[in-house]
Amino acid sequence: EVQLVESGGGLVQPGSSLKLSCVASGFIFSNYGMHWMRQAPKKGLEWIALIFYDGSEMYYPDSVKGRFTISRDNSKNTLYLEMNSLRSEDTAMYYCAALRLGTPFDYWGQGVLVSVSS
Amino acid sequence: DIKMTQSPSFLSASVGDRVTINCKPSQNINRFLNWYQQKLGEAPTLLIYNTNNLQTGIPSRFSGSGSGTDFTLTISSLQPEDVATYFCLQHNNRPYTFGVGTKLELK
Repeated sequence: EVQLVESGGGLVQPGSSLKLSCVASGFIFSNYGMHWMRQAPKKGLEWIALIFYDGSEMYYPDSVKGRFTISRDNSKNTLYLEMNSLRSEDTAMYYCAALRLGTPFDYWGQGVLVSVSS
Repeated sequence: DIKMTQSPSFLSASVGDRVTINCKPSQNINRFLNWYQQKLGEAPTLLIYNTNNLQTGIPSRFSGSGSGTDFTLTISSLQPEDVATYFCLQHNNRPYTFGVGTKLELK
């Protein structure tokens, strides 16, 4: 059974940093691209990062480019999201997702809450 | 970026009704569109991938159609457990973008 378990969320002040983790199990982690998505309170979903299976390429939307960094450690089956210069608009539930888009391989964690407030 | 215009944003229907939700991308995305269901307090789950392919374990009352710039999710006979918010996702171009969601409730 595929499992994705996020951690590292919490309440932080604007301008600060936070690093999220996602531990994967139940599939060959090193074979799949991994994503982070987020969902602001009572809002829609936003894709915020992609890392290729081997960590060779990363992609972001403009809303987080230059502030967020996705990385992975395939020896630990773990995905990370380092978030810097956090803003109030970054307040959201953050989801780790193992997706091979366009195929049935599509798994999401339960999410971790990040709140940015003074 | 591709803007996904999803409608309606809210839908109230009765058990047994046929329900349709629409997504219109701002440009051609071929058939690279997924549909997701999100129940309250849960992560999204995949219903349909690449326009019309039903995910394993999803009831056959769910179906998808369309291409290019006009896509539809259809629930042929609404069941109480279908109360949820539904999102479309285009994965033709990065950044991948979602529709704003359709909140489906029982009348």
